[in-house]
Amino acid sequence: NAGVTQTPKFQVLKTGQSMTLQCAQDMNHEYMSWYRQDPGMGLRLIHYSVGAGITDQGEVPNGYNVSRSTTEDFPLRLLSAAPSQTSVYFCASSFRGPSYNEQFFGPGTRLTVL
Amino acid sequence: QQQVKQSPQSLIVQKGGISIINCAYENTAFDYFPWYQQFPGKGPALLIAIRPDVSEKKEGRFTISFNKSAKQFSLHIMDSQPGDSATYFCAASMGGTGRRALTFGSGTRLQVQP
Repeated sequence: NAGVTQTPKFQVLKTGQSMTLQCAQDMNHEYMSWYRQDPGMGLRLIHYSVGAGITDQGEVPNGYNVSRSTTEDFPLRLLSAAPSQTSVYFCASSFRGPSYNEQFFGPGTRLTVL
Repeated sequence: QQQVKQSPQSLIVQKGGISIINCAYENTAFDYFPWYQQFPGKGPALLIAIRPDVSEKKEGRFTISFNKSAKQFSLHIMDSQPGDSATYFCAASMGGTGRRALTFGSGTRLQVQP
């Protein structure tokens, strides 16, 4: 099993550009989520999904879109990149929700917005 | 609003010493308290977790102590080793119909000196 994979590993964008961060898991997990990690602020939830076709907002959803057309994939779209979105982005998955279930994290995407 | 407060921000311990990281939470609906370990350039990985029906959980050199009345929990690393040098995050979540997500603390960077 590859676990949770993320692409790209690094990305530099200019303000106003759009892009999609890819996330895939091969563990048949129902629950997937996106976090951003900023220094001194831990990990903050952007969006999450409890199954194909079902998504919901997290703590910091503004400027990001998600969709879940398959169990395996959960892409994160930046609509119009801003410098405030410079961060490290992690995708995570678990068999069910994060309560009582281990969250498996991907290796992260380091995004810089100029 | 930071629902899980973590301290210290950084910690330096000598090899063989005890590392102690503390967290406090506000939401009494939280019922699952995991600790995640993150090495540089990697995603977080589950280290140990506890539910509030017990006051302590031990796995090898790692112990969680939980004080429900004080709404505090802590991670103790006994006989700390240089390989334990990493960033540690406490987290909390609730089951039921609430937002199904982990709320993370701000992280503690641990350095174990040989």
